[in-house]
Amino acid sequence: SQKIEQNSEALNIQEGKTATLTCNYTNYSPAYLQWYRQDPGRGPVFLLLIRENEKEKRKERLKVTFDTTLKQSLFHITASQPADSATYLCALFMDSNYQLIWGAGTKLIIKP
Amino acid sequence: DTGVSQNPRHKITKRGQNVTFRCDPISEHNRLYWYRQTLGQGPEFLTYFQNEAQLEKSRLLSDRFSAERPKGSFSTLEIQRTEQGDSAMYLCASSPFRGEQEAFFGQGTRLTVV
Repeated sequence: SQKIEQNSEALNIQEGKTATLTCNYTNYSPAYLQWYRQDPGRGPVFLLLIRENEKEKRKERLKVTFDTTLKQSLFHITASQPADSATYLCALFMDSNYQLIWGAGTKLIIKP
Repeated sequence: DTGVSQNPRHKITKRGQNVTFRCDPISEHNRLYWYRQTLGQGPEFLTYFQNEAQLEKSRLLSDRFSAERPKGSFSTLEIQRTEQGDSAMYLCASSPFRGEQEAFFGQGTRLTVV
């Protein structure tokens, strides 16, 4: 069966440390993978995209890796801040039908 | 154009009533998506438009759900004979025809069926 898995339990990280979130998938061959941030009561906000032929992408304090052999993406936030607290969603983009397939998200809590 | 706009933000309705939601996408975006999201879950795909054409509809979607995008601009999602299980956040997103297909979401419409 096809599925996307993200850490279901909330991730608690001390301010200033690096937070690492995981997205694993099975039985998909995405063209690329996207990461979004979602705050309570709001729609998701796009953060980063990584293509299947890219190993790593960076944007300011954010870094994403993509291993198509392991079928896994890691999302890192360095020098984490309490304002980074949110739910982070990964989504696979299927270019066969222009669909985004979503994980359930991981809630990140940065403690001051 | 400041982004994707959805109305209303909140809707409380009695079971059995019909409801309609509106989405105004970013004006130059050809692709428009409707999703449903419940607490602790990721967005669940409902339907997808490219311009005015409805190209995909989730097989999980009941016949009580219908969506339109009459002129390839704004879209409406109607739910007929609402049930308590329809209570959720309904999200609309748009994407440009070209580019990296990042989705721009509206704030969502929170539906509560009582």
